[in-house]
Amino acid sequence: QVQLVESGGGLVKPGGSLRLSCAASGFTFSDYYMSWIRQAPGKGLEWVSYISSSSSYTNYADSVKGRFTISRDNAKNSLYLQMNSLRAEDTAVYYCARDTGYPDGGIDYWGQGTLVTVSS
Amino acid sequence: EIVLTQSPATLSLSPGERATLSCRASQSVSSYLAWYQQKPGQAPRLLIYDASNRATGIPARFSGSGSGTDFTLTISSLEPEDFAVYYCQQRSNWPPGDTFGQGTKLEIK
Repeated sequence: QVQLVESGGGLVKPGGSLRLSCAASGFTFSDYYMSWIRQAPGKGLEWVSYISSSSSYTNYADSVKGRFTISRDNAKNSLYLQMNSLRAEDTAVYYCARDTGYPDGGIDYWGQGTLVTVSS
Repeated sequence: EIVLTQSPATLSLSPGERATLSCRASQSVSSYLAWYQQKPGQAPRLLIYDASNRATGIPARFSGSGSGTDFTLTISSLEPEDFAVYYCQQRSNWPPGDTFGQGTKLEIK
């Protein structure tokens, strides 16, 4: 069965950095776009970034552009999110997610999420 | 950035009733719109993609319609497990990037 397991979350000071990882299994990872989506405590969903199956195309929300970098390693079935210059408003649960196809698909599998807290 | 506006913010209905949720885009997204259901403490679940296609395993009581800027999610007869928060998501090519609506909370009346 499809599994997405995030890791790397935690408490970080404003201005600091963190790298999230997502281990994928149960499907052919290299066939799919992948996304990061976040949800601040008690708030709605916010799309953060996606990456194409071969890493040739990436895109970012304006709120993270220039600070976050998405990447993947298809040989390791892994997705990453490098987060730099973190701000208090980046505090959220970060979900790794599989995309069925862009732009006419949807996000059909989600990880359990990893909490990132940015606070001094 | 394309903005999605969902209405109403909260919808209070009883089991067995019909629910109609709206999602309006600030510019055309063609049919590139998805709907999700989220229950407390859980990750979202994909219900509808490409405006009107039900995802795998989604009951037939869920249906989506619309194109361009106006979209609707309809739940024909509410079951107790349908009470949750619903989000729409646009996936337009231009400008590139996804956005979510702010959500509609469907609560038991």
